[in-house]
Amino acid sequence: EVQLVESGGGLVQPGGSLRLSCAASGFTFSSYWMSWVRQAPGKGLEWVANIKQDGSEKYYVDSVKGRFTISRDNAKNSLYLQMNSLRAEDTAVYYCARAPLYGSGSYLDYWGQGTLVTVSS
Amino acid sequence: DIQMTQSPSSLSASVGDRVTITCRASRGISNSLAWYQQKPGKAPKLLLYAASRLESGVPSRFSGSGSGPDYTLTISSLQPEDFATYYCQQYYSTPPLTFGGGTKVEIK
Repeated sequence: EVQLVESGGGLVQPGGSLRLSCAASGFTFSSYWMSWVRQAPGKGLEWVANIKQDGSEKYYVDSVKGRFTISRDNAKNSLYLQMNSLRAEDTAVYYCARAPLYGSGSYLDYWGQGTLVTVSS
Repeated sequence: DIQMTQSPSSLSASVGDRVTITCRASRGISNSLAWYQQKPGKAPKLLLYAASRLESGVPSRFSGSGSGPDYTLTISSLQPEDFATYYCQQYYSTPPLTFGGGTKVEIK
């Protein structure tokens, strides 16, 4: 059974940092592109970033470029999102998701349960 | 970037109704479209991909169609468990992956 379990969310002050993790199981993690998607309270879904199987390609939504870094450790079956210089508008539930198609463009077939990041003083 | 516009943003329907949700891309996306269902407090769930291909385990009352920039999600006979918010997502031209704004299906 495919499972994605996020962790690392919490309350952080504006300008602060946070590192999210996503533990994957039930599939060959190293064979898939992975994405982070977020959802602000009461709002829609926003794709944040994705990463190729070997970590050699990474893409970001414009609003987080230069502040967020996506990475992965295939030996640990884990996906990460390092978030720096956090702003109030980064407040959201962050989901990790699996992308079954090869290439940076794919739908997302499995999602974690999400972890809440709140940026507030 | 390709913009995705969903309509309506919300609708009220009764159990047994046929429901149609529309998603329009800012340009053609060659059927590279997925639909998701999200219930409150839960993660999105993939329903369809490639515009019309049903994800494994999804009931056949869900169907998708469309071409070019225009796509629809149809629920042939609305069931109580279908009351949720639905999102479309294009994956034709990336990055970024882009989602529609969502359609909330409520009980009439």
